[in-house]
Amino acid sequence: AQKVTQAQTEISVVEKEDVTLDCVYETRDTTYYLFWYKQPPSGELVFLIRRNSFDEQNEISGRYSWNFQKSTSSFNFTITASQVVDSAVYFCALSEVATGANSKLTFGKGITLSVRP
Amino acid sequence: EAEVAQSPRYKITEKSQAVAFWCDPISGHATLYWYRQILGQGPELLVQFQDESVVDDSQLPKDRFSAERLKGVDSTLKIQPAELGDSAMYLCASSLGQVKETQYFGPGTRLLVL
Repeated sequence: AQKVTQAQTEISVVEKEDVTLDCVYETRDTTYYLFWYKQPPSGELVFLIRRNSFDEQNEISGRYSWNFQKSTSSFNFTITASQVVDSAVYFCALSEVATGANSKLTFGKGITLSVRP
Repeated sequence: EAEVAQSPRYKITEKSQAVAFWCDPISGHATLYWYRQILGQGPELLVQFQDESVVDDSQLPKDRFSAERLKGVDSTLKIQPAELGDSAMYLCASSLGQVKETQYFGPGTRLLVL
């Protein structure tokens, strides 16, 4: 069965610090998709990135970057020069292709990031 | 920018009462999902629709929960009767298709059962 572990539960940093959010996943499939979502206090889950299992190239989008390492089953997320607006709960999620029609996302428990001014 | 709409945003009810949540997916999205998120946890899938058909409802407590998507567009999730343990955030998501497609979430309905 698929599983996502976000071992960090809460992280607090001062504005402008860099912060890395860890995500470790388990799956028996060779083809799968990994996602990161942001959940601000308003409650809506905001999509950040999708990565398929065959694309291990790291990605950078502005202050955000993602490090996908299949060898360690990790998909870590780094925020550079954090800002107060980055304060939110961040979820890592996994979707397996082999399950066929069922494309449910399996989420980790989330990491609460607090960025202090 | 197209968004998933949900209503109501907040609902307070007493146990044993019936509640209903509504979701309107992004136009053109064939797949619709209902998730439940308990405080401090990640969302968990309750039911998945492909057009008007249920693809997966294995985690839906069918003795009290029901979901429908009659015309393959908007959807309603119902709980009858509500129990204290149903207090949670109910999130609706939609995607163009299944499997590899990104799921986009609505703002959710926060349910409190007293």
